[in-house]
Amino acid sequence: EPEVTQTPSHQVTQMGQEVILRCVPISNHLYFYWYRQILGQKVEFLVSFYNNEISEKSEIFDDQFSVERPDGSNFTLKIRSTKLEDSAMYFCASTRDLSYEQYFGPGTRLTVT
Amino acid sequence: AQSVTQPDIHITVSEGASLELRCNYSYGATPYLFWYVQSPGQGLQLLLKYFSGDTLVQGIKGFEAEFKRSQSSFNLRKPSVHWSDAAEYFCAVGAKAAGNKLTFGGGTRVLVKP
Repeated sequence: EPEVTQTPSHQVTQMGQEVILRCVPISNHLYFYWYRQILGQKVEFLVSFYNNEISEKSEIFDDQFSVERPDGSNFTLKIRSTKLEDSAMYFCASTRDLSYEQYFGPGTRLTVT
Repeated sequence: AQSVTQPDIHITVSEGASLELRCNYSYGATPYLFWYVQSPGQGLQLLLKYFSGDTLVQGIKGFEAEFKRSQSSFNLRKPSVHWSDAAEYFCAVGAKAAGNKLTFGGGTRVLVKP
């Protein structure tokens, strides 16, 4: 069964460094999402992406964040200058159509020290 | 704006007993509704979903949920809990008109006593 994959599974970085989180959505999916979950808290929407542009972004998704689909398979989330409060689990999700459920990847745990 | 409330932060249930997790949502039109389960340190697994049609939906692992429009609820149930059901459960709401972005509730942590 096709699945969403994410790399790395765990990333440790120093405050102020740039990180890129990678996702490979399911191949025939067209809509892509990033969510984050701070430890012990609920899952929060960050951004949605369709047709090579951002469809919607949350208040969390400020200028430090960017997303890109650099080729036909990868979907990346970049944090330009990480802060301690960016430490969280980041989930990628994809769906083929807005009338279908999203499939989530296993997540990348980001630890900012 | 969409919102989801899960009133119970923790629930402890004995193995073999029934389980019901509450979920209330707020959205102007008919939403899409989901229940996800998350084991510690793991990702989100979809248990079941409601898009339209029959308001009683069956999911994996013996779970079911009922959409009640009049109560804006989508409660999750399981008749007999197994120790492996200990996890955190998240209710989520989405809508095609909102680009299907999901809004999650705060989660309910389920502990199973032997």
